[in-house]
Amino acid sequence: EPEVTQTPSHQVTQMGQEVILRCVPISNHLYFYWYRQILGQKVEFLVSFYNNEISEKSEIFDDQFSVERPDGSNFTLKIRSTKLEDSAMYFCASSEIMNTEAFFGQGTRLTVV
Amino acid sequence: KQEVTQIPAALSVPEGENLVLNCSFTDSAIYNLQWFRQDPGKGLTSLLLIQSSQREQTSGRLNASLDKSSGRSTLYIAASQPGDSATYLCAVKNYGQNFVFGPGTRLSVLP
Repeated sequence: EPEVTQTPSHQVTQMGQEVILRCVPISNHLYFYWYRQILGQKVEFLVSFYNNEISEKSEIFDDQFSVERPDGSNFTLKIRSTKLEDSAMYFCASSEIMNTEAFFGQGTRLTVV
Repeated sequence: KQEVTQIPAALSVPEGENLVLNCSFTDSAIYNLQWFRQDPGKGLTSLLLIQSSQREQTSGRLNASLDKSSGRSTLYIAASQPGDSATYLCAVKNYGQNFVFGPGTRLSVLP
């Protein structure tokens, strides 16, 4: 069964460092998303991406964040200068079209120290 | 602004019981609603998607219902098993927007 894959599963980084989280969405999907979940809190929307551009972003997705689809398969989330409060589980998701079933990856646990 | 709540926050039942998890949302103009399962420290597994035009969806021992006008959805799990132990998340999507998640219900099924 097709699935969304994310790498790495766990990343530890020092405050102020740049991190890139990687995702391979399901191959025939056109919409891509990043969500995050701070420990013990709700899953929160960060950004959606379609046709090589951001279609929507939340207040959390400030200038420190960027997304890219560098080739036909990968979808990345970059955090330019990490802060302690960026520590969270980051989930990538994809859907065939905008309002169909979304499939989530297993997540990348980011720990900023 | 859409807000999603889930009741109860936690539930512990003996194996074999049928159970109901509840999800409420404040803005009834939704496009769809999706139920997910999350195991500790893991990703989100899609269980059921209900479009706004549907009243229920079934998959195996799971049945999800949707009452848009009252802003509610329920997830019914029949004949619960220890392997069903997980956190169950409800997520609501308004048209053209992205998912708003509830806080989840943590389910423990005791052998």
